[in-house]
Amino acid sequence: SQQGEEDPQALSIQEGENATMNCSYKTSINNLQWYRQNSGRGLVHLILIRSNEREKHSGRLRVTLDTSKKSSSLLITASRAADTASYFCATVLTNKLIFGTGTLLAVQP
Amino acid sequence: KAGVTQTPRYLIKTRGQQVTLSCSPISGHRSVSWYQQTPGQGLQFLFEYFSETQRNKGNFPGRFSGRQFSNSRSEMNVSTLELGDSALYLCASSLEAGPRTEAFFGQGTRLTVV
Repeated sequence: SQQGEEDPQALSIQEGENATMNCSYKTSINNLQWYRQNSGRGLVHLILIRSNEREKHSGRLRVTLDTSKKSSSLLITASRAADTASYFCATVLTNKLIFGTGTLLAVQP
Repeated sequence: KAGVTQTPRYLIKTRGQQVTLSCSPISGHRSVSWYQQTPGQGLQFLFEYFSETQRNKGNFPGRFSGRQFSNSRSEMNVSTLELGDSALYLCASSLEAGPRTEAFFGQGTRLTVV
């Protein structure tokens, strides 16, 4: 079963635009993580945000967390063609890292 | 620091056969987790090993098994392969047991069952 669901399922933007992806989850969390996956390859960890944090930045990435709404968002600013990938949120359920369904981001040059 | 290494990268097997996949974690990491990724089911947790002990297991049949050695390298085995086992198998290592910290993934093993 999926703990998290990303929205939208797919997103297509032009280079230079911002991309926002949302993640909703079902149970209380200790932390929420975002990962990127280039086509058919391994996942790359982007950001971990703890339940007592509301916002976190890393380069062009900004993650927010709203525990009252059980939701998180990932913002990629000034997107590049190299940002084209699938993005997953992941939360912990019974000591397992459970991934959401993912958002497929396509950045057009 | 070398990353997580999975071997082999690609594998083609016949129904009914068995397969063993290998994962070498980042040096110093004692936790290794395995995931199965398919277009229909997404990323599904298989199991986690820490210090040679299985700490957690997902909802997969007993045909899926694993182990971890004293050097933290891990193997997973799938017996009596079925067509539905075709997937990308990913392993992830982390410093601590359980998903309390970030996980570092290998490039995966693409298994095709024919």
